[in-house]
Amino acid sequence: EVQLVESGGGLVQPGGSLRLSCAVSGFTFSSYAMSWVRLAPGKGLEWVSGISGGGGITYYAGPVKGRLTISRDNSKNTLYLQMNSLRAEDTAVYYCAKDVGGSYLYYFDYWGQGTLVTVSS
Amino acid sequence: QSVLTQPPSVSGAPGQRVTISCTGSSSNIGGGYDVHWYQQLPGTAPKLLIFDNSNRPSGVPDRFSGSKSGTSASLAISGLQAEDEADYYCQSFDSSLSGSVFGGGTKLTVL
Repeated sequence: EVQLVESGGGLVQPGGSLRLSCAVSGFTFSSYAMSWVRLAPGKGLEWVSGISGGGGITYYAGPVKGRLTISRDNSKNTLYLQMNSLRAEDTAVYYCAKDVGGSYLYYFDYWGQGTLVTVSS
Repeated sequence: QSVLTQPPSVSGAPGQRVTISCTGSSSNIGGGYDVHWYQQLPGTAPKLLIFDNSNRPSGVPDRFSGSKSGTSASLAISGLQAEDEADYYCQSFDSSLSGSVFGGGTKLTVL
């Protein structure tokens, strides 16, 4: 059974940092690209970042470039999102999602339950 | 503003058919990239509903169907049921942005 479990969310002050993790099981992690997608209060889904199965290719949405860094440890079956210089507009539930592709981004067939990040003073 | 444009809301009575449009541009849908659809029930994670424009994953009822033409795509839901009340999102890839893009989402209300 495929499982994706996010952790690391919480309350952080503007300008602060946070690292999200997504532990996966039930599939060969290194064979698939992964992404982070967020849902801000009152808004729609927003793709944030993606990474190829091998970790060598990364993708970022414009609003987060230079502040958020995606990475993965295939030996630990874990996906990460390092979030720096956080802003109020980064407040959202962050989902990790498994892609059906290996190197490129296609679509997401499995999702985690999400972890809430709140940026507020 | 989302790269892919969806109507904010649609509604229909039980048993009726509704459609949700998703309009893009030449750098995404019109550029040959496939469109995928997700259903998000309140308080839950999104669920893949349609992939590659018109294909249903196993377990998704055939009441849900998708199509694509030019720079647009559509999701149709026939035989509306109360449990279909949810937010629906289209998704594709955008070559100008070099990343995935979602539509703004459409809230379906079953009257």
